[in-house]
Amino acid sequence: ETAVFQTPNYHVTQVGNEVSFNCKQTLGHDTMYWYKQDSKKLLKIMFSYNNKQLIVNETVPRRFSPQSSDKAHLNLRIKSVEPEDSAVYLCASSRDWGVREQYFGPGTRLTVL
Amino acid sequence: QQKVQQSPESLIVPEGGMASLNCTFSDRNSQYFWWYRQHSGEGPKALMSIFSNGDKKEGRFTAHLNKASLYVSLHIKDSQPSDSALYFCAGNVGDNSKLIWGLGTSLVVNP
Repeated sequence: ETAVFQTPNYHVTQVGNEVSFNCKQTLGHDTMYWYKQDSKKLLKIMFSYNNKQLIVNETVPRRFSPQSSDKAHLNLRIKSVEPEDSAVYLCASSRDWGVREQYFGPGTRLTVL
Repeated sequence: QQKVQQSPESLIVPEGGMASLNCTFSDRNSQYFWWYRQHSGEGPKALMSIFSNGDKKEGRFTAHLNKASLYVSLHIKDSQPSDSALYFCAGNVGDNSKLIWGLGTSLVVNP
């Protein structure tokens, strides 16, 4: 099956902990993204990688860091989570960095207590 | 900073009815526009793209673009309960994949 896969589906943690989310795409795409979708459903791009190279790094707190081992994987680490980090984190991919359709995973819902 | 305004915020239509969703952009440099649909518990999925002025029809879905008015719309004919979802319009920032997203329109189709 070709798609965008994310793990875990849900994660509940306490303030100050570190969390990591995984994303893998089997579509053969060159470009991958991390989005944050807040409780009002607003989608904000956080990072984008093209061929393992960081090309978009929006204004996000420094405790967020993406990690790309190859074109098919883009993980997200959050050091010392804060309550405002509670959201759904969506991973997406596209064929390349041109004007392309983006394919999304199902998301990871993070709850910070 | 480019903004995307969507209206209405929510919409209820009967099964078989027409749903009309609207979107306006603040940046005249926006050239490429998309409609994405997100069902509950899933990620968004691209529905249609529209890059030229005028109408584009794909099955029950028709998108309309007027670049001079910075206006994009989506019309869903013969709406089905399975069309119930959150609909986003999005525009590319330049000739690349970076998208600016609207806040979405929540559509409910009642059987």
